[in-house]
Amino acid sequence: DVKVTQSSRYLVKRTGEKVFLECVQDMDHENMFWYRQDPGLGLRLIYFSYDVKMKEKGDIPEGYSVSREKKERFSLILESASTNQTSMYLCASSFEREGRDTQYFGPGTRLTVL
Amino acid sequence: AQTVTQSQPEMSVQEAETVTLSCTYDTSESDYYLFWYKQPPSRQMILVIRQEAYKQQNATENRFSVNFQKAAKSFSLKISDSQLGDAAMYFCAYRSARNTKGGSEKLVFGKGTKLTVNP
Repeated sequence: DVKVTQSSRYLVKRTGEKVFLECVQDMDHENMFWYRQDPGLGLRLIYFSYDVKMKEKGDIPEGYSVSREKKERFSLILESASTNQTSMYLCASSFEREGRDTQYFGPGTRLTVL
Repeated sequence: AQTVTQSQPEMSVQEAETVTLSCTYDTSESDYYLFWYKQPPSRQMILVIRQEAYKQQNATENRFSVNFQKAAKSFSLKISDSQLGDAAMYFCAYRSARNTKGGSEKLVFGKGTKLTVNP
């Protein structure tokens, strides 16, 4: 079974803090993704990566950065957390082969910024 | 840019009955993939069913089936014999089939439909 894990299920941070969210997948997937999920807005893509050290902006990259130094790990960084970044953050990974493009999701991190 | 619309924020169904969740999408591409994902309360999002646009036959996975109408850009999900465990948020998603790095890998999601199953 594919496993995508996220470092924390719940996180509480203060405004202005630097926040790291970690995601690890164990199936040698090329692609990894970070989404945020808010009620009534669905999932919105923040950043994704299709290879080590490669990153692409998604739909809402402002206020976030990412790092992918190893194939299995994709980190989301909030340089200076703000209250409007309170949300559920979902990580996902997928193969880069035709017919094997299903995205597998982690359990999510619910981040609260006070 | 592609968009995905789920017009039903909430739906409910009686246990053992059938329910259909709607999804429409907008794209100028001819080849793409469509997905339905399920997110149970406090649990991980999982794939329910997948459809390739070039296939005319509707995908089926046990009690889950789709009605894919390419010309109408419609992709509805039918759940037969609904069970309590089907209660979840359901997301429709689109992915381009273009084989280009740095763009085609991503999914475009609808805003979701919350399905309640009544005993």
